[in-house]
Parts: sequence; structure tokens; C-alpha cells
Amino acid sequence: DQQVKQNSPSLSVQEGRISILNCDYTNSMFDYFLWYKKYPAEGPTFLISISSIKDKNEDGRFTVFLNKSAKHLSLHIVPSQPGDSAVYFCAAPATGANNLFFGTGTRLTVIP
Amino acid sequence: KAGVTQTPRYLIKTRGQQVTLSCSPISGHRSVSWYQQTPGQGLQFLFEYFSETQRNKGNFPGRFSGRQFSNSRSEMNVSTLELGDSALYLCASSPDRGHSPLHFGNGTRLTVT
Repeated sequence: DQQVKQNSPSLSVQEGRISILNCDYTNSMFDYFLWYKKYPAEGPTFLISISSIKDKNEDGRFTVFLNKSAKHLSLHIVPSQPGDSAVYFCAAPATGANNLFFGTGTRLTVIP
Repeated sequence: KAGVTQTPRYLIKTRGQQVTLSCSPISGHRSVSWYQQTPGQGLQFLFEYFSETQRNKGNFPGRFSGRQFSNSRSEMNVSTLELGDSALYLCASSPDRGHSPLHFGNGTRLTVT
């Protein structure tokens, strides 16, 4: 059973516009969420995280929003840059553990 | 600080063989986890080691095993390789302090023929 879901396998946006990547989860016990970015032939790189006690966390061009009642989080990238083109994964750890449940990823393409 | 280092980067093995992959975590990180990435199943948790002990295990057969040494370096072993074991194997380390993100290596690409 997929506890973390990313229903959009791909997304294309124009350079300078906003990219919005979505993620849903089913386990209400998750209290911490992370976004990773992955380039081909490299491991995932940590991007930004959010604790369930917050509904928003911002780091430069990246903002993550959490809606606990809807069990939904989103990653906003503003403005999008060609170097942002990568696969983005959302993830959540099992309670009290380090093992992450990953979504299936969204491939973002930023068009110059 | 040096990142997570995985060796080798690429491996080609034959069905039935066994393979050992190596991971050196970031200095000071005591938790090491292993993940398998395949096109069909995505990123899946294999196991986690902390202070030389397996702390968590994912839903993989017993052919997949691992260990951690006193310097936190870790190895994972896959015995009796099957074609379906072809995947990118990723190692991640963490300082294991509260909500701290995992830091991943670049992985070992295993191809089983």
C-alpha cells in the first residue's frame, strides 16, 4: 500500500513561472515530511522539510505547504529555473524511525 | 564534509551470483540506511543500521542482508541474484537527531544478466 503518493508523473513549466508539485499521504501518524530532488545518475538531494506542527516552511525559492486535514502537501518553486529540472520526491519517515516512505516522484521540466 | 560515498558505482553480475556493496557515511553520522530504486517500485527501504545493529527492516527477502562496522561504514549483500534485483541501490546516512534528513550517496547501479 502506497502511503505517500505523487499522482502527477510529470510537470512542465516556463522559466520564471511557478512550479507546484503535489503529494498526498494516507498515514495520519506521519509528523514530518521531506522533499528531495534527484538528477539522473545521482542520489536524491534533500531540499526542504516540514514538521506537522507547521503549515508552511520557506527556504529561498522553495516553499512547502502542509494541509493536515486533507493529508496533502505541496512544494512551490518560484521562480522556476532550468536547473530545477529534475525528479522531485516527497517522503515521510515511519514514526520514530529513519525509514522513509517515498512517493513515486514527479519529473519537473523547466523550459527556458 | 565529504558526502556519503558508495562503491562501486556500477556492477554487472550474473543470475545466481552474490554481490556486496559498500557505503561510507558522512563523518559523525551513525545511522545508515539502504534503499532500492527500480522503475516499477520506486524507492523502497531495505534496512537501517545504527551502532552496528539492524534497527529497522523493509519488506525484502532474506537474500538481502547488511551489516555495519564500528566506524559506521556499512555493506549490503545480495545472494543468489535474480534478474529483478537489477536496480539502483542507494545508501543514506543521518546524524539520527530528532527530525534530521537523510543524506544520500550517488548509488550503485547493479545489473543482473
